[in-house]
Amino acid sequence: SQQGEEDPQALSIQEGENATMNCSYKTSINNLQWYRQNSGRGLVHLILIRSNEREKHSGRLRVTLDTSKKSSSLLITASRAADTASYFCATDMNYGGSQGNLIFGKGTKLSVKP
Amino acid sequence: KAGVTQTPRYLIKTRGQQVTLSCSPISGHRSVSWYQQTPGQGLQFLFEYFSETQRNKGNFPGRFSGRQFSNSRSEMNVSTLELGDSALYLCASSLAGLTSDTQYFGPGTRLTVL
Repeated sequence: SQQGEEDPQALSIQEGENATMNCSYKTSINNLQWYRQNSGRGLVHLILIRSNEREKHSGRLRVTLDTSKKSSSLLITASRAADTASYFCATDMNYGGSQGNLIFGKGTKLSVKP
Repeated sequence: KAGVTQTPRYLIKTRGQQVTLSCSPISGHRSVSWYQQTPGQGLQFLFEYFSETQRNKGNFPGRFSGRQFSNSRSEMNVSTLELGDSALYLCASSLAGLTSDTQYFGPGTRLTVL
């Protein structure tokens, strides 16, 4: 079953614009992570935000987390054609210390046009 | 450091056959997780291994099995292949499989069942 649900499912923007993707989840979490996947290849880890953090930055990426609303957003600023990819949020189940079970959303397909 | 490697990258099998996929984690990583990705179901957790022991298992039939060796390399096996097993199989490694650890993904093995 899906824990995270990304919104929108697809997003098309022009180079230089900002892209915002949202993720909602159902149960309490320890962390929430964002991954990028280029055209059916492996996933690249972008950023991890812990449940006690509200905002985190990494280069052109800004992630927010609202545990009261069980939601997160990923903002990519000044997008480039190379940012074209699918973006997934992933949450762990809040049990024990093992993260072996990452639960992924269905992803947002971002297309950045030059 | 070398990343996560998976072999083979592509496989074509016929229904009823069995298949073994291999994953070599990042050096020093002891946790290996496997995921199945299909267009319909998205990314789904198969199982996680740590120190040669299966620690977590997803909701997949017994035809899906795996193991981990003393050098942390992992294999997964699918017996009696079905058409619906066609998917991208991804493995990910992390230091210890803790919730605070980042999972690093390999490029995946694309399995096609005819």
